Amino acid sequence: EAQVTQNPRYLITVTGKKLTVTCSQNMNHEYMSWYRQDPGLGLRQIYYSMNVEVTDKGDVPEGYKVSRKEKRNFPLILESPSPNQTSLYFCASSFLGRGPTTDTQYFGPGTRLTVL
Amino acid sequence: DAKTTQPPSMDCAEGRAANLPCNHSTISGNEYVYWYRQIHSQGPQYIIHGLKNNETNEMASLIITEDRKSSTLILPHATLRDTAVYYCIAGEYSGGGADGLTFGKGTHLIIQP
Repeated sequence: EAQVTQNPRYLITVTGKKLTVTCSQNMNHEYMSWYRQDPGLGLRQIYYSMNVEVTDKGDVPEGYKVSRKEKRNFPLILESPSPNQTSLYFCASSFLGRGPTTDTQYFGPGTRLTVL
Repeated sequence: DAKTTQPPSMDCAEGRAANLPCNHSTISGNEYVYWYRQIHSQGPQYIIHGLKNNETNEMASLIITEDRKSSTLILPHATLRDTAVYYCIAGEYSGGGADGLTFGKGTHLIIQP
């Protein structure tokens, strides 16, 4: 089954404790992206990647890091989490350059992060 | 991306057609209209997109006005599982996948039994 998986689905942590949220897709997509969703603010893009070893900042990159060492994986790293990073996080992936019908985004199930 | 305007919420009776409007009066000629939906706290799900012509797939129909300043998403026979937030997005396809699409606040569609 074609899907985007995220782990963990729920995480409660404390300020300053480094954490990684994993994202994996099995559709051979070139493009991957991380969003955060907060009440009243909608979905905001954190980072995206056009292919292996190619990453770029989205709208709200501060406090986050990403890496794309393999095509299928795009982990989100919070080196020193703070309470304002408490949010619902979504990973997404899509093909690139095959036309707007094919390049639609597939989203993961979400990771609910609480930083105390 | 062109700005889109949607009503914050709508109700629809189960089994009836749900018509969700979207205004995108500043859309440019090469911007597509995309629709996604998000069922409570799940990841957004692609529904349909179009440029100029009306489009239909197994999930919905998209009607775009001739001047492209507005569109309507139609769910022909709404079910309770269609209760979700529906996002209308106007964005340019640049060969870069769907990068740059801006998800606004959407319309919360509530299907009533």
